[in-house]
Amino acid sequence: DIQLTQSPSFLSASVGDRVTITCRASQDISSYLAWYQQKPGKAPKLLMSAASTLQSGVPSRFSGSGSGTEFTLTISSLQPEDFATYYCQQLNSYPLTFGGGTKVEIK
Amino acid sequence: QVQLVESGGGVVQPGGSLRLSCAPSGFTFSNYDIHWVRQAPGKGLEWVAFIQYDGRDKYYADSVKGRFTISRDNSKNTLYLQMNSLRAEDTAVYYCAKHQEAHPSFDYWGQGTLVTVSS
Repeated sequence: DIQLTQSPSFLSASVGDRVTITCRASQDISSYLAWYQQKPGKAPKLLMSAASTLQSGVPSRFSGSGSGTEFTLTISSLQPEDFATYYCQQLNSYPLTFGGGTKVEIK
Repeated sequence: QVQLVESGGGVVQPGGSLRLSCAPSGFTFSNYDIHWVRQAPGKGLEWVAFIQYDGRDKYYADSVKGRFTISRDNSKNTLYLQMNSLRAEDTAVYYCAKHQEAHPSFDYWGQGTLVTVSS
């Protein structure tokens, strides 16, 4: 099974900060990586697919990069509505797997 | 607009069974692959099962293989998850999610249904 390791698992930041979350895969997954945002009590929301393709309606302050085994999600200027937990997911092979999550909290 | 609505959750004793349903709308259900994903209280996301658009191909997480069965009835526009031999560790919110083929990902999710396995 492909393991995804997200770092950091917890991040404290201020409004306006640039934030970067890393997701490392245990083997090459090409660009078959998605990023999701989840707020408490809500279903996850798709932000990014194919590592760097922004989902329709997602603000352009979100960007993704990477391929192979190392990927990043960047929020260029953190907004109040961005405080949430972020998950990466690999869709290269079954069983599909998610990273452990990164909780972004207000400093 | 696209919606997925799960139902069927509840409290069940260890060793018991439960069947979850997912009712999609706003898209042609029979054209799309669908997944089940779960989230234990306070924990991360865990992919559970996949079913191809026509029901022919299915995959399962090792943690549920042999106990859970995913199925769909395209004539009734409904997805199912039959859960047998339930364990305490199956306690979670269960989400159905639509597969996006063009850029593989889960583009729409239901609101989730809570399954609690407890005596």
